[in-house]
Amino acid sequence: AQSVTQLGSHVSVSEGALVLLRCNYSSSVPPYLFWYVQYPNQGLQLLLKYTSAATLVKGINGFEAEFKKSETSFHLTKPSAHMSDAAEYFCAVTVGGGNKLTFGTGTQLKVEL
Amino acid sequence: AAGVIQSPRHLIKEKRETATLKCYPIPRHDTVYWYQQGPGQDPQFLISFYEKMQSDKGSIPDRFSAQQFSDYHSELNMSSLELGDSALYFCASSPTVGLALSRETQYFGPGTRLLVL
Repeated sequence: AQSVTQLGSHVSVSEGALVLLRCNYSSSVPPYLFWYVQYPNQGLQLLLKYTSAATLVKGINGFEAEFKKSETSFHLTKPSAHMSDAAEYFCAVTVGGGNKLTFGTGTQLKVEL
Repeated sequence: AAGVIQSPRHLIKEKRETATLKCYPIPRHDTVYWYQQGPGQDPQFLISFYEKMQSDKGSIPDRFSAQQFSDYHSELNMSSLELGDSALYFCASSPTVGLALSRETQYFGPGTRLLVL
């Protein structure tokens, strides 16, 4: 079965610093990978997704992620953190033929002045 | 742009009561998903429907049932509620392009927060 592992349940960065949220996947077949963001008391919003086209995927709000098959990773990055980026971030996977999202345990991003 | 609508947004029930959660997908989206997110947990897939037929089933308790109607809205019915059912329940919808369901983006609603006392 497919799964994703998010390293670091809490990440703290200074405003203007690089954001790096880690996600590793486990799948015996090529996966489709997603990053979602959840602000307090809100639903999940898609940041970006990988569906086997370009390995470097650009999303909303300046986020991007790179699919690395050799490392089974799909880490999320943003060059310069903003206070408004503080939220919980979920990596998720689906596998061809199935349509349910399997989420990682989430990473809470804190942005400090 | 139209988003997924869920009602009610908040619901308080007593143990052993029943609850019905409603979901209205984005127009022209024919696939609906239900997820449960416990406090401090990641969302867990419950069930999905495509063209009014159940398309996949996850960790949905037997006390829960769901269906999708002809107008594509969906309802999640929960009976004999337990304290552990307290959670945020999300509905998501997606369009279907060919048969590649798994690559389509799921658009999430704001959720229904259920509290069982």
